[in-house]
Amino acid sequence: GQQVMQIPQYQHVQEGEDFTTYCNSSTTLSNIQWYKQRPGGHPVFLIQLVKSGEVKKQKRLTFQFGEAKKNSSLHITATQTTDVGTYFCALNSGNTPLVFGKGTRLSVIA
Amino acid sequence: DTEVTQTPKHLVMGMTNKKSLKCEQHMGHRAMYWYKQKAKKPPELMFVYSYEKLSINESVPSRFSPECPNSSLLNLHLHALQPEDSALYLCASSRSQGFDQPQHFGDGTRLSIL
Repeated sequence: GQQVMQIPQYQHVQEGEDFTTYCNSSTTLSNIQWYKQRPGGHPVFLIQLVKSGEVKKQKRLTFQFGEAKKNSSLHITATQTTDVGTYFCALNSGNTPLVFGKGTRLSVIA
Repeated sequence: DTEVTQTPKHLVMGMTNKKSLKCEQHMGHRAMYWYKQKAKKPPELMFVYSYEKLSINESVPSRFSPECPNSSLLNLHLHALQPEDSALYLCASSRSQGFDQPQHFGDGTRLSIL
């Protein structure tokens, strides 16, 4: 089955520092989705990437899809305490259910 | 505010009890999902309903029984659960079953099995 690796598992940053999480797949992907789950909350859809090399921005968040469509990253510039939570990538490689990465838990120290 | 509503928010039950989890969405979505999430783990897919028909069962034990009475409702019937079934149970919906569709999650039901 499809393998997905998401790193790092945890990241602790000072408020104002940048943060990046990476997601790698063993197979070529149709698309990748990113979700955020706040502590005690539920996953919330952030974005979907479809095209090779695609880059999308949402305010301080930048999402990239690799040229080979096997990896992706989420970068947050100048983190804030509101960014705290677990960020999951979710992979889709065709007509199969989404496979969630293990997530990266972000802590922001004020 | 979530557009997928789950009840109850918390549930404590014994191993011999029968209970049901409920999920409702009014977004006109035709695919609905049940996930199980253990602490500090990603959501694990249990069931997928597409146009009110069960399309995917990820080898879930029969003590979990899903039901989709109509396009807006999804139930999960629980019977003779085990302590290891304690988890957050998340319902989600998407416009269709195509797995390129964003999924909208409910707040979940936190289930504890005594």
